[in-house]
Amino acid sequence: EAGVAQSPRYKIIEKRQSVAFWCNPISGHATLYWYQQILGQGPKLLIQFQNNGVVDDSQLPKDRFSAERLKGVDSTLKIQPAKLEDSAVYLCASSSWDFRAIEQFFGPGTRLTVL
Amino acid sequence: AQSVAQPEDQVNVAEGNPLTVKCTYSVSGNPYLFWYVQYPNRGLQFLLKYITGDNLVKGSYGFEAEFNKSQTSFHLKKPSALVSDSALYFCAVSFYTGANNLFFGTGTRLTVIP
Repeated sequence: EAGVAQSPRYKIIEKRQSVAFWCNPISGHATLYWYQQILGQGPKLLIQFQNNGVVDDSQLPKDRFSAERLKGVDSTLKIQPAKLEDSAVYLCASSSWDFRAIEQFFGPGTRLTVL
Repeated sequence: AQSVAQPEDQVNVAEGNPLTVKCTYSVSGNPYLFWYVQYPNRGLQFLLKYITGDNLVKGSYGFEAEFNKSQTSFHLKKPSALVSDSALYFCAVSFYTGANNLFFGTGTRLTVIP
């Protein structure tokens, strides 16, 4: 079974530039998550999708971050404009909606450096 | 408010000795509890979970954890540590109430000394 795919793996940009990350979840997983992991901290949820609908985006800085999952499969997360404090690893995860298999499976992440 | 605490930033253990990585939580309601491991430059890997039932849960790579409701703890254990177990370990909690948000602890770095 293929895991969660993310690209790019690394990205370096200057502040005020824009950047986009892509995620393809495990086949059949209806739920997709984007997390931000700042160095030395645990991941923090940015947004959760159920199919192509948003379940929770309460922690997403909506003035600069946006995310979509138009066809209920892959997803993109965008930052525009980027700030220095956005430097972090952005993790995508997916899970089944069945509570008996509720664990989330994570991709390798995209390490973003904002200069 | 939900919170997860991992009181030790660093745990060192000799190879072959038992290991324990501690986790306590503060939540309202009935939580689901998880352990994940993170190797350098890789995403988090699921180790085990507690949903309901037996308080002792067994997971991948010989790890196990015990849910203790009275002490609100979910410590990760392994009878005999391997050098390859050296990694960053995260405890997390969620609630199956529609939004399956995982709240993570700050992580514990485990170093197994040969």
